[in-house]
Amino acid sequence: NFMLTQPHSVSESPGKTVTISCTRSSGSIASNYVQWYQQRPGSAPTTVIYEDKQRPSGVPDRFSGSIDSSSNSASLTISGLKTEDEADYYCQSYDGNNPVVFGGGTKLTVL
Amino acid sequence: EVQLVQSGAEVKKPGESLKISCKGSGYIFTNYWIAWVRQMPGKGLEWMGSIYPGDSDTRYSPSFQGQVTISADKSISTAYLQWSSLKASDTAFYYCARQLMVTTNFDYWGQGTLVTVSS
Repeated sequence: NFMLTQPHSVSESPGKTVTISCTRSSGSIASNYVQWYQQRPGSAPTTVIYEDKQRPSGVPDRFSGSIDSSSNSASLTISGLKTEDEADYYCQSYDGNNPVVFGGGTKLTVL
Repeated sequence: EVQLVQSGAEVKKPGESLKISCKGSGYIFTNYWIAWVRQMPGKGLEWMGSIYPGDSDTRYSPSFQGQVTISADKSISTAYLQWSSLKASDTAFYYCARQLMVTTNFDYWGQGTLVTVSS
């Protein structure tokens, strides 16, 4: 089984850019798509990035996803931070033996 | 409009049984997987398992295999998550979510059902 490791928390100021990492413990990050979910307090999660870098309709282009094979990690980048971006963010991927694996989540604080 | 509507909050005692539901609408229910995801208080998301209502093919996370049962009634577009004997540690929010395939993105989520197990 593989794990996805995220930083516990990140913080940044409004208008700035923040990047949240998601490191895969074994197997190639590039072999299986990575999704990112946003969960605001008291709400169900929603998708902000799917298939590594695709944005669902309605998600602003301030959100972007990428993959870095050299560090075996995926990243979610949010530019032009707004207070409404304050939430928990989860990465998710899979492999042949594990249909769904979530990262532990990252709490984003926009100060 | 695609919607997943879950049953309401439950308060149960340890040892009791429970079945919660997730009703899909606005799409062909039998063409998508329905997953169940647990979120314990203040904790992260955990995949419990997924079912394909078209043929009832069901996959479980090893962590939840034997602890819960996932089922679906395609005639009423509803998926279920059930316990035969609840424990205090089952206290959590439970979300259902839709997937095109068992490995793909959760594109729509239910609103969540809070299950509280306390003596």
